[in-house]
Amino acid sequence: NAGVTQTPKFQVLKTGQSMTLQCAQDMNHEYMSWYRQDPGMGLRLIHYSVGAGITDQGEVPNGYNVSRSTTEDFPLRLLSAAPSQTSVYFCASSYSSGSTGELFFGEGSRLTVL
Amino acid sequence: LAKTTQPISMDSYEGQEVNITCSHNNIATNDYITWYQQFPSQGPRFIIQGYKTKVTNEVASLFIPADRKSSTLSLPRVSLSDTAVYYCLVGETGYSTLTFGKGTMLLVSP
Repeated sequence: NAGVTQTPKFQVLKTGQSMTLQCAQDMNHEYMSWYRQDPGMGLRLIHYSVGAGITDQGEVPNGYNVSRSTTEDFPLRLLSAAPSQTSVYFCASSYSSGSTGELFFGEGSRLTVL
Repeated sequence: LAKTTQPISMDSYEGQEVNITCSHNNIATNDYITWYQQFPSQGPRFIIQGYKTKVTNEVASLFIPADRKSSTLSLPRVSLSDTAVYYCLVGETGYSTLTFGKGTMLLVSP
């Protein structure tokens, strides 16, 4: 079982460029989410989805777009990258959107915006 | 949302038992307490979850007093590989409302 797979693991962008961070899970989980983690900080929720076709904003959604066309995939799009978006991004999934049970995380995608 | 407070860092030696306490004075009736572990350059990993009294699994124990205003994660006989950041989360309404604070950085030395 692959679990939660994120690609790419590393990316360098120039200010204004766009890119998509990919996230896929093979556990048939309904809930998926994206977090960012900055040095010395905890994780902050960017966007989340409780099922295919349903997405919502988290704590820090500005500058990011998401979509959920399938249960397995939850890509995160940066339309015009800014240096403030330099961070490590984690995708997570869970069987349900409730906070009981286990939240599974990917290994992270480290993004640098110059 | 219940706010949590935990120590910024803790030091220990191999073979010792480590107890990390988390305060959550405003915990709600339906809130669960969950702990995650994060190694450098990896995503957090679920350790244990509980509602009251004591929960034990192959990795750790979680002690929750009757008033549920705090909880203690207990790691028996830590090793160097237990060096990580440990997060205490409290919530019930959904993962979208859970907050990962700065956690507790546990450093285990030889």
